[in-house]
Amino acid sequence: DAMVIQNPRYQVTQFGKPVTLSCSQTLNHNVMYWYQQKSSQAPKLLFHYYDKDFNNEADTPDNFQSRRPNTSFCFLDIRSPGLGDAAMYLCATSRDSTGWETQYFGPGTRLLVL
Amino acid sequence: AQSVTQPDIHITVSEGASLELRCNYSYGATPYLFWYVQSPGQGLQLLLKYFSGDTLVQGIKGFEAEFKRSQSSFNLRKPSVHWSDAAEYFCAVGEQGGSEKLVFGKGTKLTVNP
Repeated sequence: DAMVIQNPRYQVTQFGKPVTLSCSQTLNHNVMYWYQQKSSQAPKLLFHYYDKDFNNEADTPDNFQSRRPNTSFCFLDIRSPGLGDAAMYLCATSRDSTGWETQYFGPGTRLLVL
Repeated sequence: AQSVTQPDIHITVSEGASLELRCNYSYGATPYLFWYVQSPGQGLQLLLKYFSGDTLVQGIKGFEAEFKRSQSSFNLRKPSVHWSDAAEYFCAVGEQGGSEKLVFGKGTKLTVNP
């Protein structure tokens, strides 16, 4: 039944050690998003893919990269995690990219940086 | 740029009491408006959305919201709260005319007392 799956649910990494978070979807949606959500804050969009087209938010640090090898999978790579990158990372999908499309969220990956 | 304000960071209600969560937006045109709910440790789930037509929108789990253009508000209501409604609630605005971006408010945490 799961539609947007994120692995792992919890990830611990060391300061500066690259880490990859995974998202997969069974909805066959065109758009996949990555959000960062820090404690008691709103989700903040990092970037999204429309199909294979990558769209980066202007204020997303270069330390954050993404890959989408196929429709179903999307990865978030943090090249050199800092303490400030500890957060919940949410993946979402939508059928299309118009403003009224519902976004379907995964359960999130909580990242801890030691 | 559009913005969303949720004035109440934390609300506590008794089970069976009515609930209203406030949301104000800033946007030049008619926005697309959403309410999402996030249970602890989970991703976001869509409760309801508005983009045109009847200004009173019915959602899942017995929630409704009313769009009031004159007040730039989209408040969420439920006549009788259940203990399982304890969660964090996010209002979001989507942009008409091409941007895929959802802008979220900072959320309101709901506690339900028995």
